Amino acid sequence: GAGVSQSPSNKVTEKGKDVELRCDPISGHTALYWYRQSLGQGLEFLIYFQGNSAPDKSGLPSDRFSAERTGGSVSTLTIQRTQQEDSAVYLCASSSSTGGYYGYTFGSGTRLTVV
Amino acid sequence: AQSVTQLGSHVSVSEGALVLLRCNYSSSVPPYLFWYVQYPNQGLQLLLKYTTGATLVKGINGFEAEFKKSETSFHLTKPSAHMSDAAEYFCAVSGTTNAGKSTFGDGTTLTVKP
Repeated sequence: GAGVSQSPSNKVTEKGKDVELRCDPISGHTALYWYRQSLGQGLEFLIYFQGNSAPDKSGLPSDRFSAERTGGSVSTLTIQRTQQEDSAVYLCASSSSTGGYYGYTFGSGTRLTVV
Repeated sequence: AQSVTQLGSHVSVSEGALVLLRCNYSSSVPPYLFWYVQYPNQGLQLLLKYTTGATLVKGINGFEAEFKKSETSFHLTKPSAHMSDAAEYFCAVSGTTNAGKSTFGDGTTLTVKP
């Protein structure tokens, strides 16, 4: 597509429920990144994909968080048994190369609110 | 390891005045450096980047930044602020050997007064 698409744009869920956040990167972009942006804070790295592989999962906060990427394209971030501290904006970004040379193209994010 | 410090979480300037947003970085390998802008309810947009070569880089909307290795800085400037520049700005560093994972600063909110 023309840009990075994320869905849903907003999600309100009850504590303890599972949620799935979707990212559709720019066609042909091999690298895909998930970040989390909490209110008034910077971006927190969650996970990185190169193709369908995730060489770096070091930012996932707990085992309640998981992510996958299929066909070298769409990625899904899943949060199980959501907690109030999971409330944040989840940002997806893609890049045409690894090594960071080109920078990222970001989606508009999914605002997750856990009540 | 890499880190970014943005000095000043809020900066306010008058329309037409100089914009200066400060960024200092730490990186154990030669860095790639970026500035991103985030308008309300939008994702981040790449403003400019330094990878190699010329240390003064120009970006969109009249912004520029200078890489100063000796000062480990990458400050963002614009000679004359416009109302439309009001947004949050993020500095980021990516090492050349860490698969492109960028570390972001906490952001600086720029307010432009008429």
